[in-house]
Order: sequence, then structure tokens, then C-alpha cells
Amino acid sequence: DVKVTQSSRYLVKRTGEKVFLECVQDMDHENMFWYRQDPGLGLRLIYFSYDVKMKEKGDIPEGYSVSREKKERFSLILESASTNQTSMYLCASSSYDGYEKLFFGSGTQLSVL
Amino acid sequence: DAKTTQPPSMDCAEGRAANLPCNHSTISGNEYVYWYRQIHSQGPQYIIHGLKNNETNEMASLIITEDRKSSTLILPHATLRDTAVYYCIVRVGGGNYKLTFGKGTLLTVNP
Repeated sequence: DVKVTQSSRYLVKRTGEKVFLECVQDMDHENMFWYRQDPGLGLRLIYFSYDVKMKEKGDIPEGYSVSREKKERFSLILESASTNQTSMYLCASSSYDGYEKLFFGSGTQLSVL
Repeated sequence: DAKTTQPPSMDCAEGRAANLPCNHSTISGNEYVYWYRQIHSQGPQYIIHGLKNNETNEMASLIITEDRKSSTLILPHATLRDTAVYYCIVRVGGGNYKLTFGKGTLLTVNP
């Protein structure tokens, strides 16, 4: 089975800190995604990547950046965390030929105080 | 991508079939219908997708109307573990890789 692993299940950070959320997939998938999920707003796409060193903005990229130096790893970076970035962050991956079928990690609940 | 409309919540008795509707009246010819579900405290899980024909896999069946303006996800024998939020998503195949999730339907399976 495909496994998408997110480095932390819960994370607490302070306003202004630089935050790294890490995601690793073990199925050699080309595509990787970062979503955030908030009550009443559903899942919203932040960034996605379809190849190493390639990235595309999603629907809400402001305040975030990403890094994909290796195929299996996709990092989400909050340059200066703010309280409105408190959320559940979900990473996903998919293969190029099966791009409709996303595999998700269990999520990281980030609290910014 | 076409917009979808789903009821916010539904109930189903354990062991009975759960039929989850989705309206996508503005769907275009090259748009697929996808279903995902999200069990509490987990990431979403792919269930099934289709274009025109009905589809079945080990998890569920997808029935798409002939005019493609609506679809129904069927869980033939719902269990308590099927309690989850179910998302119906419509998007084109190829190119743009992103899936846009709406608010979905909370299905509660009752004992």
C-alpha cells in the first residue's frame, strides 16, 4: 500500500516562527500536494508539485512556500507563522498515470500561538 | 471545474445500502466524477471515479445518470466504519492536476 507520512501529528509554534512541515511518500509518485483543512471551509489546495524542483500555486498560496528537492519529499514552509495559519495540513501524492487517485497522509494539526 | 451539490448530512442503518447523491448539472463532456471520503481524524481516501459508465470496485458503486448531471455513490452494506464525510468532485482529466474539495456529505451509519 502507498504510504504518505507527515512528520508530525501535532505541532505548536509561536507567531513569527519559521515552520517546516515535511511529507514523504514511498511509491515513487510524481505529483505531491499540500492542502489545509478548516471547519466550514473544507480542503483548500495550497501548492502542488508535479516533478522535482517544480511547483505550482494552488488556491491559497499566500504566506506559504514549498520545496521539492527529492521526488519522495515535499516540504511546506511557513516563513513567518501567523495565528490565521492554525489549521490541519494534509499532504497527498499521486502517480502521473493515476493522477485522479490521491493518497493522503494523516495530517498535521498546527497551532500558532 | 463544474460545481457539485451534495446534502450536508445523511443517516443510514448498519447493513443497509447507503445511497449518496451528487448534483453536477453544469458538468462538461470531458469532466470526470470522483468520490473521496474522510473518516474523522484521517486524510481523505479515494473511493471511485467515472466518466459516463457506471463503475464498481471493492468499496462502492458509482451510478451516473445518462445526461451526466447527477450521480449516486452506493455503499451496498454500510458498516459503522463507513461513517465519514463523502466528497463528490468533478474535474477534467489530464493537465491540471488539482482536485478541489467541497464540503461533502456527512454520512452517519447507525447500529
